[in-house]
Amino acid sequence: EVKLQQSGDELVRPGASVKMSCKASGYIFTDYGIHWVKQSPGQGLEWIGTIIPVIDITSYNQKFRGKATLTADQSSNTAYMELSRLTSEDSAVYYCARRSNYGGYYFDYWGQGVMVTVSS
Amino acid sequence: DVLMTQTPVSLPVSLGGHVSISCRSSQSLVHSDGNTYLHWYLQRPGQSPQLLIYRVSNRFSGVPDRFSGSGSGTDFTLKISRVEPEDLGVYYCLQSTHFPYTFGAGTKLELK
Repeated sequence: EVKLQQSGDELVRPGASVKMSCKASGYIFTDYGIHWVKQSPGQGLEWIGTIIPVIDITSYNQKFRGKATLTADQSSNTAYMELSRLTSEDSAVYYCARRSNYGGYYFDYWGQGVMVTVSS
Repeated sequence: DVLMTQTPVSLPVSLGGHVSISCRSSQSLVHSDGNTYLHWYLQRPGQSPQLLIYRVSNRFSGVPDRFSGSGSGTDFTLKISRVEPEDLGVYYCLQSTHFPYTFGAGTKLELK
């Protein structure tokens, strides 16, 4: 069974950073890229960026460059996203999703989401 | 960035009814490889989005044939026939032809 298990919800102070994880199971980790998507309260979906673990390549939405840093650890089948210099605008649910490296260009499985609340 | 415009924003429906959701893009979604990377997702309340249709008209594994997608270029449609309770939620289109990937703002399917 394909599963993307994300880390728990976070309450963080303004100006701080947060790092969340997305642990993959049930498939060959290096056959897929991991994408990250932001959903602000009551809002739609924004694509943040992607990491392709097999070649350690990242690509970011320009809007999130400097805000998000994507990494991956092949040894543990886990992808990470760190968000820095947090403000209230970063309060949102963050999802990871996988996309095949072999075409299709769609996200077929998603994690359960991490709710990040930025508050003093 | 490619702007994805979904209509309507809200779509009241009776169970057993039929509905259509439109998704229009600000530029053609035909990729240089000839494919069109337009996909549809359903997000039920409190859940993650789930894939329904990929590359315009292909149903994902386990998706009932009540769901169908069509369109080309910049104009796409998702049709749902014989609406069931589990179909209620917010529907999003996603384009992955151009970077950055962009989603429509969503269409909320709700009971009349």
